[in-house]
Amino acid sequence: DAKTTQPPSMDCAEGRAANLPCNHSTISGNEYVYWYRQIHSQGPQYIIHGLKNNETNEMASLIITEDRKSSTLILPHATLRDTAVYYCIALLFNDYKLSFGAGTTVTVRA
Amino acid sequence: SAVISQKPSRDICQRGTSLTIQCQVDSQVTMMFWYRQQPGQSLTLIATANQGSEATYESGFVIDKFPISRPNLTFSTLTVSNMSPEDSSIYLCSVEGTGSNEKLFFGSGTQLSVL
Repeated sequence: DAKTTQPPSMDCAEGRAANLPCNHSTISGNEYVYWYRQIHSQGPQYIIHGLKNNETNEMASLIITEDRKSSTLILPHATLRDTAVYYCIALLFNDYKLSFGAGTTVTVRA
Repeated sequence: SAVISQKPSRDICQRGTSLTIQCQVDSQVTMMFWYRQQPGQSLTLIATANQGSEATYESGFVIDKFPISRPNLTFSTLTVSNMSPEDSSIYLCSVEGTGSNEKLFFGSGTQLSVL
């Protein structure tokens, strides 16, 4: 699996959009970008995934650059409950072994 | 998504003892995975437990220390053997997602403290 790089932490104001970057410069053409988050003392929760097109669901949007070397997870209106560690993972579609890096600790402030 | 019941949710154990963690899923799944999360760290995959075959361990984890059972498609156990304080971690069971999006679904884990 390709290595991903994320900033260790970021703050966000409640109600504002949170933009979480992820670099995956060695990603292969058939590796997807998956995002999970882990709220304190809970198991990781799936957020979204994509291959090369931008994706949106009820939780977030995923913007993948045209060269696929980086992506951004967007939480459109951050709430205090979005405070968590966010993990960006590159993974083949038929692979289920998630490798979690250090992630980005997002703190949403009132 | 699958509902995972993991027991115990937390335990405090003495050095040298063993603890068996149970993972029960409300639907049949082929793939189950056991992860460890040491204090302040990210998750590390311990092993893959597919029904009908021996568990496959990741580098740094051995069967003698972390024996795993997978008797059917809805249940698995992980034993942490001969525990030391370094085994204090959260242990998480995860299963393949039942939808087309969710790669893995995680339970809430077992918080283990070893004195």
